[in-house]
Amino acid sequence: KQEVTQIPAALSVPEGENLVLNCSFTDSAIYNLQWFRQDPGKGLTSLLLIQSSQREQTSGRLNASLDKSSGRSTLYIAASQPGDSATYLCAVSPIQGAQKLVFGQGTRLTINP
Amino acid sequence: DAGITQSPRYKITETGRQVTLMCHQTWSHSYMFWYRQDLGHGLRLIYYSAAADITDKGEVPDGYVVSRSKTENFPLTLESATRSQTSVYFCASRLAGPSYNEQFFGPGTRLTVL
Repeated sequence: KQEVTQIPAALSVPEGENLVLNCSFTDSAIYNLQWFRQDPGKGLTSLLLIQSSQREQTSGRLNASLDKSSGRSTLYIAASQPGDSATYLCAVSPIQGAQKLVFGQGTRLTINP
Repeated sequence: DAGITQSPRYKITETGRQVTLMCHQTWSHSYMFWYRQDLGHGLRLIYYSAAADITDKGEVPDGYVVSRSKTENFPLTLESATRSQTSVYFCASRLAGPSYNEQFFGPGTRLTVL
């Protein structure tokens, strides 16, 4: 059974710092991996989708990498801002049951002004 | 407005009552999903649908019923609500094909069962 883990559960950093969020998964047989952002009381916003054949994807100050063989992904946020404060979730699409997403429990990020 | 909407956004009900949560998307996405989000469990898939009239169970389907008579709608019914079904419910949709598995989520429905 595919399991997704995100460590740490919470992270607090000063504004302007670059930071990395981690995601690991137990089964490398995936189609893709998706990073989401969730603001308190809100739905999930898709940030980046990395196909299994890709190593990374970039959008603005965000860069996500994927190392499928080691079961790891990272989300790099450059020059963090208070508006980046949110919970960040990663989810994988397993080849077995590809229509589903398996989620990690998220990292709650706080950027301090 | 285009996108995926859920109604109601908040609902309080009593144990044993039937409750229906609505989900509507305007993208004509083939796939639609229902998740629940709970502290300590994260997001878990309840049911999904690959197309109109095609539905299948997810990880936690017990106590829930779904239907999909039209591509754009995917209602979730709690036939006899229990306190353990107090949760935040999210609907999502995506295009067909595993390479397009970027899912888009609605704003959620916060359900409280007393």
